[in-house]
Amino acid sequence: KAGVTQTPRYLIKTRGQQVTLSCSPISGHRSVSWYQQTPGQGLQFLFEYFSETQRNKGNFPGRFSGRQFSNSRSEMNVSTLELGDSALYLCASSSGTGIAYEQYFGPGTRLTVT
Amino acid sequence: DAKTTQPPSMDCAEGRAANLPCNHSTISGNEYVYWYRQIHSQGPQYIIHGLKNNETNEMASLIITEDRKSSTLILPHATLRDTAVYYCIVNNFNKFYFGSGTKLNVKP
Repeated sequence: KAGVTQTPRYLIKTRGQQVTLSCSPISGHRSVSWYQQTPGQGLQFLFEYFSETQRNKGNFPGRFSGRQFSNSRSEMNVSTLELGDSALYLCASSSGTGIAYEQYFGPGTRLTVT
Repeated sequence: DAKTTQPPSMDCAEGRAANLPCNHSTISGNEYVYWYRQIHSQGPQYIIHGLKNNETNEMASLIITEDRKSSTLILPHATLRDTAVYYCIVNNFNKFYFGSGTKLNVKP
């Protein structure tokens, strides 16, 4: 089975711009979660989508948004970029059903805001 | 939001068992304990999870105390490739809060 893929792998943007990151989950997985990882704050949960609906949300400002398509692929968007948005953005897919299930992470997108 | 406490770092000799502790004293009855590891800025890798019984798979064993307030991840024969940051997470629905983790250094 192919793993979770994320595109692009590296991105450089300027303050004030917006960016869209893409995540393709493992085939058959219906849940996609997004995380931000920075040296100062560690791994932080952004949101989770299941069957095209946002099911969980972390504590991030409205500049961070996402969506999921009918094929379970997901995108996240960050508008009005700030220097502090520089981070590794990870997505994880899972079956999303049942009480307990493991998440499988992609390699991440490294975003640098200048 | 993280409900777990882990030592920041540990050393282990190659070939020996690595025992990584985690404290989760405020765990609720329906919350599972998960372990993930992250090797040098790659995506975290799932290791194991459990509710109250001890669990074992091809990678590791998970020992959960009877009161569920702490757990230990055991890597039976650590190799240099096991050098990573290990995260212990409690979760009852698909919303994972990662703490600071334990940096395991496996030394030859």
